[in-house]
Amino acid sequence: GENVEQHPSTLSVQEGDSAVIKCTYSDSASNYFPWYKQELGKGPQLIIDIRSNVGEKKDQRIAVTLNKTAKHFSLHITETQPEDSAVYFCAASTPPDNAGKSTFGDGTTLTVKP
Amino acid sequence: EAGVTQFPSHSVIEKGQTVTLRCDPISGHDNLYWYRRVMGKEIKFLLHFVKESKQDESGMPNNRFLAERTGGTYSTLKVQPAELEDSGVYFCASSRKGNYGYTFGSGTRLTVV
Repeated sequence: GENVEQHPSTLSVQEGDSAVIKCTYSDSASNYFPWYKQELGKGPQLIIDIRSNVGEKKDQRIAVTLNKTAKHFSLHITETQPEDSAVYFCAASTPPDNAGKSTFGDGTTLTVKP
Repeated sequence: EAGVTQFPSHSVIEKGQTVTLRCDPISGHDNLYWYRRVMGKEIKFLLHFVKESKQDESGMPNNRFLAERTGGTYSTLKVQPAELEDSGVYFCASSRKGNYGYTFGSGTRLTVV
């Protein structure tokens, strides 16, 4: 089955700095890679995603890159703000017409210090 | 549209007791998933419904866990009898047929003492 590894487990940055979280996956059948942000007391919320036919996607201050050959993908947050503090999860998923099942990483706790 | 609703938000039960968790997905979402996060580790897949049918239940830990989805609407996850290792946060998520990405509920924190 799929195995997703996520690093680092904790990350502390100063407000305004960039943050990078990296994930690797094992199953080449995975073709969809979402990132979720979980704030305290809430469920994970989809913040950005990328499909395997795309190498990079950007949405304002967040971007995701995918290296399909190396089976790794990364989340980049620029100009971090205190409200970016949360737990971030990467996931690797099979296509929705093949169950759409996601395998998650262990999560990264990001702390942005004012 | 209303989000995915889960209740209770918290449940503390004694070992050996029964607990039923409920999930109301977003209306019109055929796909419903149950996931669990234990001890701060990864969010782990439990099972997947398409409407009222179980598509994949490969992640269910053992036969103490029973999931149902009545009429393709809300779903329940029953744990009977509960064991200490069942403690964790149980998440429900839903998505439209053919859609990538989920909408998660806020989760149910289950503590078995």
